Amino acid sequence: QQQVKQSPQSLIVQKGGIPIINCAYENTAFDYFPWYQQFPGKGPALLIAIRPDVSEKKEGRFTISFNKSAKQFSLHIMDSQPGDSATYFCAARMRGSNYKLTFGKGTLLTVNP
Amino acid sequence: NAGVTQTPKFQVLKTGQSMTLQCAQDMNHNSMYWYRQDPGMGLRLIYYSASEGTTDKGEVPNGYNVSRLNKREFSLRLESAAPSQTSVYFCASSASGEGEQYFGPGTRLTVT
Repeated sequence: QQQVKQSPQSLIVQKGGIPIINCAYENTAFDYFPWYQQFPGKGPALLIAIRPDVSEKKEGRFTISFNKSAKQFSLHIMDSQPGDSATYFCAARMRGSNYKLTFGKGTLLTVNP
Repeated sequence: NAGVTQTPKFQVLKTGQSMTLQCAQDMNHNSMYWYRQDPGMGLRLIYYSASEGTTDKGEVPNGYNVSRLNKREFSLRLESAAPSQTSVYFCASSASGEGEQYFGPGTRLTVT
């Protein structure tokens, strides 16, 4: 049973475009929702994270939008650049789970010059 | 400050061979994790250690064992490697009370 569903699997945008990656979850016990960025040959790195008491969080060009009632959250990348080309993973952590994360399957983003 | 380090970076095994993947962190984190990453499958948790002296199974523990040697080190052992264990393995750590996990650079394992 996949607890965090991520879409799309891949995404191609032009430089300056605003790619949007979506994630949905079922379990209301999740209390922390991070996004990780992974470049080829590297380990994932935390990009931005949000808790369910907040509807939006911005860090630079990256924004998380969170819809608690719909159990969905999304990542928006403003003014995307070729250097943003990477695989993006959403994740969710359950309360009392010893900080275990459940990851989505990932989105491969390509930003063309 | 190296963060999370993993050895080896690459390994090729024959079916039935055994090996241990090593992981160490220098951030004084309590919790450590082992994941495997396969194309189209995301990151799946194999085992984790919430604190020194404790280990628990994750989503895909079959065929693996772990040892939390001390607070810094968490190793993953394949006793009898199978082709289905061909994957990229990541170790991660986090401080208790926080959600951020810091990942190592990964070990690419091929079992033939």
